[in-house]
Amino acid sequence: QSALTQPPSASGSPGQSVTISCTGTSSDVGGYNYVSWYQQYPGKAPKLMIYEVSKRPSGVPDRFSGSKSGDTASLTVSGLQAEDEANYYCNSYAGSNNVIFGGGTKLTVL
Amino acid sequence: EVQLLQSGGGLEQPGGSLRLSCAASGFTFSTCAMSWVRQAPGKGLEWVSTVSGSGSGIFYADSVKGRFTISRDKSINTLYLQMNSLRAEDTAIYYCAKDQRATSTRGSFDYWGQGSLVTVSS
Repeated sequence: QSALTQPPSASGSPGQSVTISCTGTSSDVGGYNYVSWYQQYPGKAPKLMIYEVSKRPSGVPDRFSGSKSGDTASLTVSGLQAEDEANYYCNSYAGSNNVIFGGGTKLTVL
Repeated sequence: EVQLLQSGGGLEQPGGSLRLSCAASGFTFSTCAMSWVRQAPGKGLEWVSTVSGSGSGIFYADSVKGRFTISRDKSINTLYLQMNSLRAEDTAIYYCAKDQRATSTRGSFDYWGQGSLVTVSS
């Protein structure tokens, strides 16, 4: 399977909202409600921010939310803060015990 | 507190072998699937392999199938990745990750190790 498609970059000013998209196909994003989002700072391990499209793990601020429409999933960060500047990756279950990731989006807080 | 402490990695020639280890603590190891995810330098994440909590379910990405072997030792709460027939394109940071599920993965990895650098070069 091909990687999911994410915009290489996104940006917003503190306090604003920004949405990052993750586009796949009916064989992955569109076919299952198993989309996860990860935050990764340079040189650090990824951190789970959203799972099963829209669920937040304990400890993740409610400024982070997820949704899905058709073959595209989205991560929205509301009330942007300086510490939100990081790389964000989506992934999706793709059937037959396979998982595919997106190429990543670098979020810049202006 | 959940902890995943990785060891292994390093520099190996093409065609060679390496083994990565991931010592787990802070949770019931046998009830969680465990996975390996890699990240080539400056690139994105790539799922590599998953083993179920019981060890009976094993799954691989096509890019490593037949060359890599995932396993787990429940007596010492440790996950392994045996990497054979290494290629230059296997060069990456390898992360072990705990899955939220027990029997297989749906891509939700809630805890990660610190990463192990594997470099394949002559």
